[in-house]
Amino acid sequence: KNEVEQSPQNLTAQEGEFITINCSYSVGISALHWLQQHPGGGIVSLFMLSSGKKKHGRLIATINIQEKHSSLHITASHPRDSAVYICAVAGGGGSNYKLTFGKGTLLTVNP
Amino acid sequence: SQTIHQWPATLVQPVGSPLSLECTVEGTSNPNLYWYRQAAGRGLQLLFYSVGIGQISSEVPQNLSASRPQDRQFILSSKKLLLSDSGFYLCAGQGLSNEKLFFGSGTQLSVL
Repeated sequence: KNEVEQSPQNLTAQEGEFITINCSYSVGISALHWLQQHPGGGIVSLFMLSSGKKKHGRLIATINIQEKHSSLHITASHPRDSAVYICAVAGGGGSNYKLTFGKGTLLTVNP
Repeated sequence: SQTIHQWPATLVQPVGSPLSLECTVEGTSNPNLYWYRQAAGRGLQLLFYSVGIGQISSEVPQNLSASRPQDRQFILSSKKLLLSDSGFYLCAGQGLSNEKLFFGSGTQLSVL
């Protein structure tokens, strides 16, 4: 079974700061997802990656397969970025259909 | 684009009553479908997943069941709810195993 650890659990930043959220997993995977959950509960998929780096607007996701580690970066953070960010991995001892989730990182960006 | 319609948004049910939550998918065919539960202060837990009509895999033994009567319809059910069934339930889909997930808006279930 894959163990997914996220850090930090809670993060408070000032508007404009550069944010990094980390995710580590214990077993090799086929893909890693970064999700964003807003206070109302709705979840949006930000990235799915299996190698390298992806960028979308102010968000950047990287993954290092050898080190079993991924990071989500937010440049020029804004209060609307406040949400819970969740890392989830596919594969890694189970089928590619089953995801194992981290517990999430609560990000609060103050104006 | 791929969309999941999930209802209801909130539900309050007495212990021992039945449950039926439904989600329907638009914008893709033969998706992988998932039911997740998020208990207060905890991460998402996979309850069931389905790779096709009538194909259901259960991840944890529990008081719940799932069915997929049509390609784009996924139903979560219980015959008798327990207090421990309270939580936030999310339906999710995936066009292919190498694609991003898309989520319904969730159902907050309170069992009293």
